[in-house]
Amino acid sequence: EVELVQSGGALVQPGGSLRLSCVASGFAFSDSWMTWVRQAPGKGLEWVASIERDGREKFHVDSVKGRFTISRDNAKNSLYLDMKMLRVEDTAVFYCARDSPKGGFDFWGQGTLVTVSS
Amino acid sequence: SYELTQPPSVSVSPGQTARITCSGDALPKKYAYWYQQKSGQAPLLVIYEDNKRPSGIPDRFSGSSSGTVATLTISGAQVEDEADFYCYSTDSNNHRVFGGGTKLTVL
Repeated sequence: EVELVQSGGALVQPGGSLRLSCVASGFAFSDSWMTWVRQAPGKGLEWVASIERDGREKFHVDSVKGRFTISRDNAKNSLYLDMKMLRVEDTAVFYCARDSPKGGFDFWGQGTLVTVSS
Repeated sequence: SYELTQPPSVSVSPGQTARITCSGDALPKKYAYWYQQKSGQAPLLVIYEDNKRPSGIPDRFSGSSSGTVATLTISGAQVEDEADFYCYSTDSNNHRVFGGGTKLTVL
């Protein structure tokens, strides 16, 4: 059974930093692209970042470039999102998701809430 | 930046057919995907590659795409189908985008 278990969400002050984690099981993690998607309170889904299988290629939405970094550790079946210079508008539930070989995202984590507030 | 446009809301009575559209300039060349998100839950893939249904998704869910418009159809909508629905696709530069979401009400 595929499972993505997330952790790391917290209340952080503007300008602060945070690391989100996502531990995968039930599939060959190193064979899959992985992605972070976020959802601000009461708003829609927003793609944040994706990383290819071996971690060399990474893609980030323009609004987080230079502040967020996606990474992975295939030995630990883990995906990360390092966030710095956090802004109030980054407040959201963050989901990790597996990229399906057929496109889109076929499995999602449970979500973790990041609140940026003073 | 690339955008996918969805209607904010669609409302049907139980048993009726609900249609949710998604417009995007790259859709003639890129697949559309559809996600259902119920309140407080993670999104669930209901349609991939325009018109394919993942295992476990009821056959009342179907998808189609023509030109710049992809459509999710729920035939015989049920009360439990009430949710937010999002389309997803990529643009010609493989930038990943979600539509703004459509709230489906079944009552």
